[in-house]
Amino acid sequence: ETGVTQSPTHLIKTRGQQVTLRCSSQSGHNTVSWYQQALGQGPQFIFQYYREEENGRGNFPPRFSGLQFPNYSSELNVNALELDDSALYLCASSGGTNRENNEQFFGPGTRLTVL
Amino acid sequence: GEDVEQSLFLSVREGDSSVINCTYTDSSSTYLYWYKQEPGAGLQLLTYIFSNMDMKQDQRLTVLLNKKDKHLSLRIADTQTGDSAIYFCAARSGSARQLTFGSGTQLTVLP
Repeated sequence: ETGVTQSPTHLIKTRGQQVTLRCSSQSGHNTVSWYQQALGQGPQFIFQYYREEENGRGNFPPRFSGLQFPNYSSELNVNALELDDSALYLCASSGGTNRENNEQFFGPGTRLTVL
Repeated sequence: GEDVEQSLFLSVREGDSSVINCTYTDSSSTYLYWYKQEPGAGLQLLTYIFSNMDMKQDQRLTVLLNKKDKHLSLRIADTQTGDSAIYFCAARSGSARQLTFGSGTQLTVLP
């Protein structure tokens, strides 16, 4: 059983640019959640995708958008990057059974630095 | 909305027990989680407890939940140097999609 994977590991962008981060969910999981973790803080929920539809959103502006594909992998897109977008971006997957829905398993994250 | 609070730092001697505390504000939180994060890594799910339980034990880990006080704790028995990490408490209400995390407790295990 493969775990949650994310790419790239690290990324450096400049202010105003756009970025796409990728996540492959754990085998058998149909739900992907994205979180932003600023330095020294806990993760903050961005949004969740279930069966290719957005299924809940946190307090993030519309320039944060996402997609989920038929194989349940997901992308996070951020437009018009700001310095404060520098953070570790974490993807978590959860599954189709009731028990598996209670457990969110995280990937290793993508470290984004905005200069 | 939900707010989750944790103390920032805890130091213990190797072999002692560690107790990490967490409080939350939303009484409708139905699932409470403990995650571990090592430097440069993602979050590892350690354990979670459903709100109708008072205690859950899993090998060296014991979770205690006081629903009345909205207080959650994680006890690590026989703490080892490999347990040094940041520990996050998180809460989720039944209908919510997201986990709400605390700021994390940095556990340092001294030899």
